[in-house]
Amino acid sequence: QQQVKQSPQSLIVQKGGISIINCAYENTAFDYFPWYQQFPGKGPALLIAIRPDVSEKKEGRFTISFNKSAKQFSLHIMDSQPGDSATYFCAAPGYGQNFVFGPGTRLSVLP
Amino acid sequence: SAVISQKPSRDICQRGTSLTIQCQVDSQVTMMFWYRQQPGQSLTLIATANQGSEATYESGFVIDKFPISRPNLTFSTLTVSNMSPEDSSIYLCSVLRGGGETQYFGPGTRLLVL
Repeated sequence: QQQVKQSPQSLIVQKGGISIINCAYENTAFDYFPWYQQFPGKGPALLIAIRPDVSEKKEGRFTISFNKSAKQFSLHIMDSQPGDSATYFCAAPGYGQNFVFGPGTRLSVLP
Repeated sequence: SAVISQKPSRDICQRGTSLTIQCQVDSQVTMMFWYRQQPGQSLTLIATANQGSEATYESGFVIDKFPISRPNLTFSTLTVSNMSPEDSSIYLCSVLRGGGETQYFGPGTRLLVL
């Protein structure tokens, strides 16, 4: 059974700072690693995802860094804003066609 | 992307009753997933629902407690049966798009069992 570890559990960052969330997985059926953002009262929304034929993917202020040999990937949020305050989940492919989700990181960006 | 709607958005139910949650997708999908998210927790897969076949349940979840229907390629229902306060959670419908890689979620159904 796939297990996904995520850290930190919670994170407080000043506005304009860099938020970094780390994720580690065990094994995968295929290579596709997404991050989801969830605001209170909403369903998770796909934020950014990477296929590990590249080691990094950037979309605006959000960057995924991937280390295939270590089975780790991380989310970097540059110039963090109060509107980024949410819970972030990493995910890795499970053994079916679903994804297994990390426990989540609650990010608070202080104004 | 995918447009997914769920009904009801929230409900308060009495112990021992059942609630059926509906999930509607804006276009046909082969696989639909039902997740549970307990307060402050991650997402736990309940079952995978394919059209025309029995749902596949994850360890710890059984059909008698969480019966699922999948009558067509755009719709599914999850019933939470004989509810107890421990069933208080957010229930999320999800589908795969993007060549089967990208998973999209509905807005969730917030259930409180008294």
